[in-house]
Amino acid sequence: TQLLEQSPQFLSIQEGENLTVYCNSSSVFSSLQWYRQEPGEGPVLLVTVVTGGEVKKLKRLTFQFGDARKDSSLHITAAQPGDTGLYLCAGDMEYGNKLVFGAGTILRVKS
Amino acid sequence: DTAVSQTPKYLVTQMGNDKSIKCEQNLGHDTMYWYKQDSKKFLKIMFSYNNKELIINETVPNRFSPKSPDKAHLNLHINSLELGDSAVYFCASSQLYSGGKTQYFGPGTRLLVL
Repeated sequence: TQLLEQSPQFLSIQEGENLTVYCNSSSVFSSLQWYRQEPGEGPVLLVTVVTGGEVKKLKRLTFQFGDARKDSSLHITAAQPGDTGLYLCAGDMEYGNKLVFGAGTILRVKS
Repeated sequence: DTAVSQTPKYLVTQMGNDKSIKCEQNLGHDTMYWYKQDSKKFLKIMFSYNNKELIINETVPNRFSPKSPDKAHLNLHINSLELGDSAVYFCASSQLYSGGKTQYFGPGTRLLVL
């Protein structure tokens, strides 16, 4: 059982569609990060959310941290082929010195 | 000007061999990590060093031995390689106590054990 459940695992959509990726846990996190990984490269940080209920926007990407700091979502509006990649959520445990990663969502946006 | 660099990028070797992967960061960070990403893309932490001291050692076989000669370098030596060791290994760094745990990842080392 993973500490951070991420869904869906795979997502294949047409250009212009909207999508949401979810990250859920029964544990509380002091912050939650979202990374994007392209083929052949390492993950790159997109955003960090820290406060319960926080919403952050990055162009067409909207990130939300749950009020209880146990879950998060990533919403992409009008997806484009350039959004294709692996999206990873990572929780910063309140105790301990490490990030816990979700299993990832492979997104493919077709033109 | 690569922030976190790893060598080699690809490593193909026979079962039973010993191999090393090197990592260097020029970000001035105090903490470095080794992660393993399996074929299903799951990223799992293996080790973490803070100022050359081991602070995280997950359940990893003894065949894996990290070494941090200084704050900017973290190497990973693997003895007696097994088929199941095939994966992508990522090095990462962060400024643990002042910058949160934002991880800066290297490009990865693709290890294939035959």
